[in-house]
Amino acid sequence: GAVVSQHPSRVICKSGTSVKIECRSLDFQATTMFWYRQFPKQSLMLMATSNEGSKATYEQGVEKDKFLINHASLTLSTLTVTSAHPEDSSFYICSAHGLAGDWSTDTQYFGPGTRLTVL
Amino acid sequence: SQKIEQNSEALNIQEGKTATLTCNYTNYSPAYLQWYRQDPGRGPVFLLLIRENEKEKRKERLKVTFDTTLKQSLFHITASQPADSATYLCALDTYGGSQGNLIFGKGTKLSVKP
Repeated sequence: GAVVSQHPSRVICKSGTSVKIECRSLDFQATTMFWYRQFPKQSLMLMATSNEGSKATYEQGVEKDKFLINHASLTLSTLTVTSAHPEDSSFYICSAHGLAGDWSTDTQYFGPGTRLTVL
Repeated sequence: SQKIEQNSEALNIQEGKTATLTCNYTNYSPAYLQWYRQDPGRGPVFLLLIRENEKEKRKERLKVTFDTTLKQSLFHITASQPADSATYLCALDTYGGSQGNLIFGKGTKLSVKP
């Protein structure tokens, strides 16, 4: 089956620093990748949709200048949390979709997630 | 606004019984609905997808129903095992299936006792 990896799995950083999270599709080409955030006991919240070679589409309320997304290739998308603050501490999960066209016959494949803790 | 609710935050059952989880939604007519399993500290794993024109779908011990009139999906695990203990998420598409954006429920944490 399709495999999506994320790196790092855990990161602890100081307030004010920037953190980059990588999302890779290992055995398929992902035309679209999604970035989610999940707080404890809460649902996954979609942050942005990333299409290879174009600018990401951000959900309402998500600051595009704070959460920089780059989808430079069909197997890699990165999320950079700039000037991180303690309230950005969360579980960040990416997903990848390789099928262009019929969303109802295929699904997203999720990465294992990255736990970000900002001190 | 679109809303998706999973009625039980937690469900405890005995091994061998059937677990039934509920997902209700409002203010939307999704083209399809999906169920995922999520273990602690891990990303969701896809289980089943059911389209709006399908009433029921099965996969091994799993069964999903989709009632677009009631705006409800039921997820069943038969002959449950302790290894089935996890949080189960339902998700539905936005944009009428034309894009892959999903909204997720908060999940139901299932505990299967031996």
